[in-house]
Amino acid sequence: GENVEQHPSTLSVQEGDSAVIKCTYSDSASNYFPWYKQELGKRPQLIIDIRSNVGEKKDQRIAVTLNKTAKHFSLHITETQPEDSAVYFCAASKAAGNKLTFGGGTRVLVKP
Amino acid sequence: DAGVIQSPRHEVTEMGQEVTLRCKPISGHDYLFWYRQTMMRGLELLIYFNNNVPIDDSGMPEDRFSAKMPNASFSTLKIQPSEPRDSAVYFCASNHGGNTGELFFGEGSRLTVL
Repeated sequence: GENVEQHPSTLSVQEGDSAVIKCTYSDSASNYFPWYKQELGKRPQLIIDIRSNVGEKKDQRIAVTLNKTAKHFSLHITETQPEDSAVYFCAASKAAGNKLTFGGGTRVLVKP
Repeated sequence: DAGVIQSPRHEVTEMGQEVTLRCKPISGHDYLFWYRQTMMRGLELLIYFNNNVPIDDSGMPEDRFSAKMPNASFSTLKIQPSEPRDSAVYFCASNHGGNTGELFFGEGSRLTVL
């Protein structure tokens, strides 16, 4: 089955700096790569996703890049703000059945 | 729509007791997922249903765990007998089949087994 590795497990950045989280996946058939944000005590919520026919996608201060050859994808957060502090999860799935395999999560702390 | 609704939000029970967690998916969603979240193991998929039929239960830890979806608007996850290592947050999520893939999570049920 699919295996998703996520790094780093914790990330501390100064407000205004950028944060980068990286994930690798094992199943070359995976074609959907979402990122979820989970604030303390809350549910995970989708923040951005990318499909295998696209190399990069941006939404305001967040962007995701995908390298299918290398089987890795990354989340970039620019101009970080305290409200970006949360745990971020990457995931991968094939279209059929939409079964998502999550990475282990990255705890991001943005220091004011 | 009110989103995915789970109950109870918190459950504290003693080892050996039966635990039943409940989920109401978003109306119209044809996939329902049960996840377990712990510090050690992260988010683990336990089982998922498509049109009320279990499709993949390979993540169910052992025979003490069972899940049902008797109709499109209700699912249960049962643990019998419960053990302290079952302590976790259990999330239910639902979505449409197809390429969208976005999972809509409930608020979770925090289970503590003493």
